[in-house]
Amino acid sequence: DTAVSQTPKYLVTQMGNDKSIKCEQNLGHDTMYWYKQDSKKFLKIMFSYNNKELIINETVPNRFSPKSPDKAHLNLHINSLELGDSAVYFCASSHQVNPYEQYFGPGTRLTVT
Amino acid sequence: GENVEQHPSTLSVQEGDSAVIKCTYSDSASNYFPWYKQELGKRPQLIIDIRSNVGEKKDQRIAVTLNKTAKHFSLHITETQPEDSAVYFCAASRPSGGYNKLIFGAGTRLAVHP
Repeated sequence: DTAVSQTPKYLVTQMGNDKSIKCEQNLGHDTMYWYKQDSKKFLKIMFSYNNKELIINETVPNRFSPKSPDKAHLNLHINSLELGDSAVYFCASSHQVNPYEQYFGPGTRLTVT
Repeated sequence: GENVEQHPSTLSVQEGDSAVIKCTYSDSASNYFPWYKQELGKRPQLIIDIRSNVGEKKDQRIAVTLNKTAKHFSLHITETQPEDSAVYFCAASRPSGGYNKLIFGAGTRLAVHP
């Protein structure tokens, strides 16, 4: 199936730990994004990469570090997890030529205890 | 600044009625306005979009209107069905260095009662 996929789907961890979320798209898109959706359902962009280059970097703590090994993958590493990091994290992708339509992954529900 | 306001936050209608969700944006450079539907526990999915050179667009039971002067756009769903129940997000795309950034509204939880 052509899609945006994320792993893991659920992640429960303790404060202070370091964790990673992986994202892959096989749509041939050039641009990938990370969004955070908090408990009130508010969706906010965190990062965007185009062809492995960082193009959008919102005001996000530097404990969050995205990495794009190639244009089909965008991973998110989070250091020293805090309670406030609990949220659903969505990966998305879009094609550079038509950069507007974004396809979302299934989300990763992160719970920090 | 970048801000998208969305109203109402919740909307309850009877099956067959129409539903209207309204959004306003602040950045006059915004040029693309998508609407996403998010069912419970699922990913946001694009249902319709409109660009700044168009005033209205329709796709079966859903339509979107855009008033650039007033900086507001609306989603209209006619003949609502229970499967339309979901959270709907509007967004405004702002071009930035050849790319775009989507600024989302806070969402509207639509409940369609049989």
